[in-house]
Amino acid sequence: EVQLGQSGAEVKKPGESLKISCQGSGYSFTNNWIAWVRQMPGKGLEWMGIIYPGDSDTRYSPSFQGQVTISVDKSISTAYLQWGSLKASDTAIYYCARQRGPLLQDWYFDLWGRGTLVTVSS
Amino acid sequence: EIVLTQSPGTLSLSPGERATLSCRASQSVSSTYLAWYQQKPGQAPRLLIYGASTRATGIPDRFSGSGSGTDFTLTISRLEPADFAVYYCQQYGTSPSLYTFGQGTKLEIK
Repeated sequence: EVQLGQSGAEVKKPGESLKISCQGSGYSFTNNWIAWVRQMPGKGLEWMGIIYPGDSDTRYSPSFQGQVTISVDKSISTAYLQWGSLKASDTAIYYCARQRGPLLQDWYFDLWGRGTLVTVSS
Repeated sequence: EIVLTQSPGTLSLSPGERATLSCRASQSVSSTYLAWYQQKPGQAPRLLIYGASTRATGIPDRFSGSGSGTDFTLTISRLEPADFAVYYCQQYGTSPSLYTFGQGTKLEIK
């Protein structure tokens, strides 16, 4: 089965670091860009950044540049999203999603993980 | 930066009715680069439509997308109970933010 499996929910304190993961299976992981999308409580979807597992080429939304780091370990078909110092405002569900293909007309997200809930509270 | 504005914010309809959801862009968007997603409570978004009008795999034909330029529409011809959810439009490929979502339309049972 083609899927993106995400790591479990996290509860952290402000100032702590965190790295969450997204593992692809059932398809050739290195062939498709993987995006991260934030959904704050009761709010809409926000694109954070995207990485190409084949060569680790990474692009960030201007809104998230410098706030998070996206990385990948293609040997285990896993992409990561990490924070160096969490804030309460980072509380959200974080989804990973697969971009359909490399051509611009295929830049939509055709496969989504189930999401990782990150709660940051003192 | 392109801003996508969806309307209405909430749409209250009954099963069997027709739903028309709007997505308006702050500047012209190629119809090739416009998608729609459905999100049910507690679930991840699901791709419905890409290229403004092409249904994704497994999406029933009661869902249709149309539009060009700055105005795009998602139509659900005959609502079924499973269709009540939040719908997002998305444009892709335009800098500086390569992917932009609308704020969503909640489709609720009347």
